[in-house]
Amino acid sequence: AQSVTQPDIHITVSEGASLELRCNYSYGATPYLFWYVQSPGQGLQLLLKYFSGDTLVQGIKGFEAEFKRSQSSFNLRKPSVHWSDAAEYFCAVGLNTGTASKLTFGTGTRLQVTL
Amino acid sequence: NAGVTQTPKFQVLKTGQSMTLQCAQDMNHEYMSWYRQDPGMGLRLIHYSVGAGITDQGEVPNGYNVSRSTTEDFPLRLLSAAPSQTSVYFCASRKIGGRSEQFFGPGTRLTVL
Repeated sequence: AQSVTQPDIHITVSEGASLELRCNYSYGATPYLFWYVQSPGQGLQLLLKYFSGDTLVQGIKGFEAEFKRSQSSFNLRKPSVHWSDAAEYFCAVGLNTGTASKLTFGTGTRLQVTL
Repeated sequence: NAGVTQTPKFQVLKTGQSMTLQCAQDMNHEYMSWYRQDPGMGLRLIHYSVGAGITDQGEVPNGYNVSRSTTEDFPLRLLSAAPSQTSVYFCASRKIGGRSEQFFGPGTRLTVL
């Protein structure tokens, strides 16, 4: 079964600093990969997704992620963090077959932004 | 489009009580699912459905029932609430196929005393 690991539970960065959130997955083939963001008290919003092709994907709010097959990673990056980026971020992996493909989520990384 | 809607937003139950969490979507999505979110555990899949009349268990189905009589609605039933079911519950929907985006509802915060 697929699994997702987000090794950082909590990260604090200063506003304007760069950000990288780590995500590692375990799956036999190339999975579908997603990053979601959850603001306090809200549902989850899709930031970006990777299915195939170019391994660097761009998302909303200035985020990008790079798929590295050799490292089984899909790290999320942003060059300059804004205070409004403070939220919880979830990496998710989906099977790339069938109609009932399910998403498996990591445990999340909480981002704190200091001014 | 309203997207994915959930009711209620908050609920407090006593142990042993039953209740139904409502979920509806207006995007004509075939696939609907329920997750629970607990601190440090991410989102865990409870039940899912690939269409009206078809449901299946996810990772943590015990204590929950679902049905899918229409494409739009996917209620989650707690048969006899337990304190371990205190959680935030999210409903989600998407088109069939792994490449489609999954849309989430705003969540229901449930406390079982």
